Amino acid sequence: AQSVTQLGSHVSVSEGALVLLRCNYSSSVPPYLFWYVQYPNQGLQLLLKYTSAATLVKGINGFEAEFKKSETSFHLTKPSAHMSDAAEYFCAVSGDAGGTSYGKLTFGQGTILTVHP
Amino acid sequence: EAGVAQSPRYKIIEKRQSVAFWCNPISGHATLYWYQQILGQGPKLLIQFQNNGVVDDSQLPKDRFSAERLKGVDSTLKIQPAKLEDSAVYLCASSLSADTSYEQYFGPGTRLTVT
Repeated sequence: AQSVTQLGSHVSVSEGALVLLRCNYSSSVPPYLFWYVQYPNQGLQLLLKYTSAATLVKGINGFEAEFKKSETSFHLTKPSAHMSDAAEYFCAVSGDAGGTSYGKLTFGQGTILTVHP
Repeated sequence: EAGVAQSPRYKIIEKRQSVAFWCNPISGHATLYWYQQILGQGPKLLIQFQNNGVVDDSQLPKDRFSAERLKGVDSTLKIQPAKLEDSAVYLCASSLSADTSYEQYFGPGTRLTVT
């Protein structure tokens, strides 16, 4: 079975500060990992994904995430927060081809990011 | 390219009533998903279709929930009868295929309130 834990349901930063959202996963097979963003009253939008290529993944809007197998982590970072980054962020995991979890996303509980001026 | 469309956007019903949600995926997308997102939680997969066939409905409460995808395009999700704990946002997503490398595109969701 696969699962995702997001540490911190709320994160607050000042505009221009570093954003760090934490995600740890559990998977019995090599995982695919994703970060999604959800703005109020909207659906989820893919920020970036890890599919066993480079361990440092760059996404949209200046976000990036690093896959660390030894720590089973996939933390999301952005060097400088912008007011428009305020939203809820979800980490998700999917199994690789051949497994029963392939193509099926399991989401964490989400982290609400607040950006202060 | 048009995105995933869902309707209605909001619905309020009383417990024991029935309700239906509609989803129109992105044109050409073979795989369609319905997720339930309870307040404060991440989305949970209810059912996955590949064309008009069900791939996975293991987390669908089949005593009250049903879903269909006629002709492999639009899909409807029905709840009958609704319970208070069904209050949630129901998200529809679609992708070119079930291969994980293909992005899932999400609709705006239907927010259901059961009173």
